[in-house]
Amino acid sequence: EAQVTQNPRYLITVTGKKLTVTCSQNMNHEYMSWYRQDPGLGLRQIYYSMNVEVTDKGDVPEGYKVSRKEKRNFPLILESPSPNQTSLYFCASSLNSLYGYTFGSGTRLTVV
Amino acid sequence: KQEVTQIPAALSVPEGENLVLNCSFTDSAIYNLQWFRQDPGKGLTSLLLIQSSQREQTSGRLNASLDKSSGRSTLYIAASQPGDSATYLCAVRYNAGNMLTFGGGTRLMVKP
Repeated sequence: EAQVTQNPRYLITVTGKKLTVTCSQNMNHEYMSWYRQDPGLGLRQIYYSMNVEVTDKGDVPEGYKVSRKEKRNFPLILESPSPNQTSLYFCASSLNSLYGYTFGSGTRLTVV
Repeated sequence: KQEVTQIPAALSVPEGENLVLNCSFTDSAIYNLQWFRQDPGKGLTSLLLIQSSQREQTSGRLNASLDKSSGRSTLYIAASQPGDSATYLCAVRYNAGNMLTFGGGTRLMVKP
């Protein structure tokens, strides 16, 4: 089944403890992105990648890192999480600009 | 700044009604537009993708139209059912890059 898989689905962590949210797609898509969704603020892009080893900042990149070492994986790294990074995170992928996006099921992160 | 607006923010209708959800965007030079459905706490499910050269797309009871000149898209849902209750999100790709700009969504409730 064609899909974007995120792990974990739920995560509660403490301030400052480094964490990684994984994202993998099995559709050979070029484009991958990370979004966060917050009440009243909607969905905002954190980082994106248009191919292996090509990444760039979205609208809200502060406090996050990403890497794209292979086409299928696009992990989101929080080096020192803070409570304001408590949010619902989504990974998405697209074959290219002519195709729509497929979203993962989301990761609900709580930083205490 | 390129913005996407969805009005109303919430809508409640009786089962069986035909309804229209609205999406407006500030810049008519869009690349394509995608409608999503999101159930509470869940991921985004793609409903329809309209390219900038297209006027409409249909899938089952759903029909999405695009009018670039007026900066508007509508999602028409025929014969609504309680299972259609969800938040509907409109997202615009403004260029060939890897970013979607989302509207705030319309929360739809279909009452039996």
